[in-house]
Amino acid sequence: DIVMTQSPATLSVSPGERATLSCRASESVSSNLAWYQQKPGQAPRLLIYGASTRATGIPARFSGSGSGAEFTLTISSLQSEDSAVYYCQQYNNWPTFGQGTKVEIK
Amino acid sequence: EVQLVESGGGLVQPGRSLRLSCAASGFIFDDYAMQWVRQVPGKGLEWVSGISWNSATIGYADSVKGRFTISRDNAKNSLYLQMNSLRAEDTALYYCARAPYGSGSYPDYWGQGTLVTVSS
Repeated sequence: DIVMTQSPATLSVSPGERATLSCRASESVSSNLAWYQQKPGQAPRLLIYGASTRATGIPARFSGSGSGAEFTLTISSLQSEDSAVYYCQQYNNWPTFGQGTKVEIK
Repeated sequence: EVQLVESGGGLVQPGRSLRLSCAASGFIFDDYAMQWVRQVPGKGLEWVSGISWNSATIGYADSVKGRFTISRDNAKNSLYLQMNSLRAEDTALYYCARAPYGSGSYPDYWGQGTLVTVSS
């Protein structure tokens, strides 16, 4: 199985600042990578697929980049409603998820 | 509006069986692959199984292979997960999810989940 490793485990960012989340794959997954946001008590919400394509209705402050084995999710100007856990998922083989990064508002 | 509603969860003893269902609406069900993803409360996400639109391609996580069986009934817009030989480590919230590009692709819509608790 492809192992996905996210860093950091927790990120504390002030409102309006940039948040940068990292995701590393144990082998190349090409651009077959998605990002999800999950708030407490809610199902995950698709943010990004194909490493950099925003899903329908996702604000432009969310952007994804990378290919191969290194990926980044950037929230350009953090809003209070962005407090959540963010997961990356590869789908180059049968899907596997990272362990998540918790984004807190400072 | 895409809706996925899971049911069938509950408390079950180790070694017993349970069948989960997912009722889909708001989209053409047999145009899409479907998946089950689970989450231990307070923990991360784990992909469990996926099935193509015509059931020709099916995959399972190693942790459930040989014990769980995914299936679908396109006439009823429904997805199922038959879970046998349940273990304590299968305790989780089970999500049904739509996968737009095949049984192993990313889910784009998720249900709210059904909780399975395996305990004596």
